[in-house]
Amino acid sequence: SQQGEEDPQALSIQEGENATMNCSYKTSINNLQWYRQNSGRGLVHLILIRSNEREKHSGRLRVTLDTSKKSSSLLITASRAADTASYFCATDTGNQFYFGTGTSLTVIP
Amino acid sequence: NAGVTQTPKFQVLKTGQSMTLQCAQDMNHNSMYWYRQDPGMGLRLIYYSASEGTTDKGEVPNGYNVSRLNKREFSLRLESAAPSQTSVYFCASSRPGNTIYFGEGSWLTVV
Repeated sequence: SQQGEEDPQALSIQEGENATMNCSYKTSINNLQWYRQNSGRGLVHLILIRSNEREKHSGRLRVTLDTSKKSSSLLITASRAADTASYFCATDTGNQFYFGTGTSLTVIP
Repeated sequence: NAGVTQTPKFQVLKTGQSMTLQCAQDMNHNSMYWYRQDPGMGLRLIYYSASEGTTDKGEVPNGYNVSRLNKREFSLRLESAAPSQTSVYFCASSRPGNTIYFGEGSWLTVV
């Protein structure tokens, strides 16, 4: 079975609002990464957080990691229409990366 | 710098036909991967190669074979295509513990 599960499956917000999506996983990890996928395209790396880190920022992105709960969250602040995409978490277990089923984000202008 | 390049972009196969998806990376990465993506299923790992000369099964290897031809190239072969293999296939590469870089995907339809 897949390592990661994102929640919610779909999210629709107004432009300017914040979007939060969550990821839960099952086993120990070396790091956790978030990716974005625009329709019909490949996945693009957003941010990586290592297992010994609790929070990381990159521009309008904020990622948290709670290894005791085996969960992570991605916050996108001041969302834009261009943020409309699917977002996936990926867990690095050492040899393999496991992806969740993704959160589909729609930002309404 | 092309990153990860995979071909073909689109392919239609008849049930029972064979084909090979090609993938090459120019980032000198040791690790390479093949994933398939189906609606509502996220990405599932088919095979991966941790280094040149080694390959290992992922979550869904049945019906596929791979070849790590050299450090740059990692191909995925469908020996006898089935409708259940209709999917979008992504090749990817990385350094251990680091960012994964993806190709643009190959859309395969088996009729």
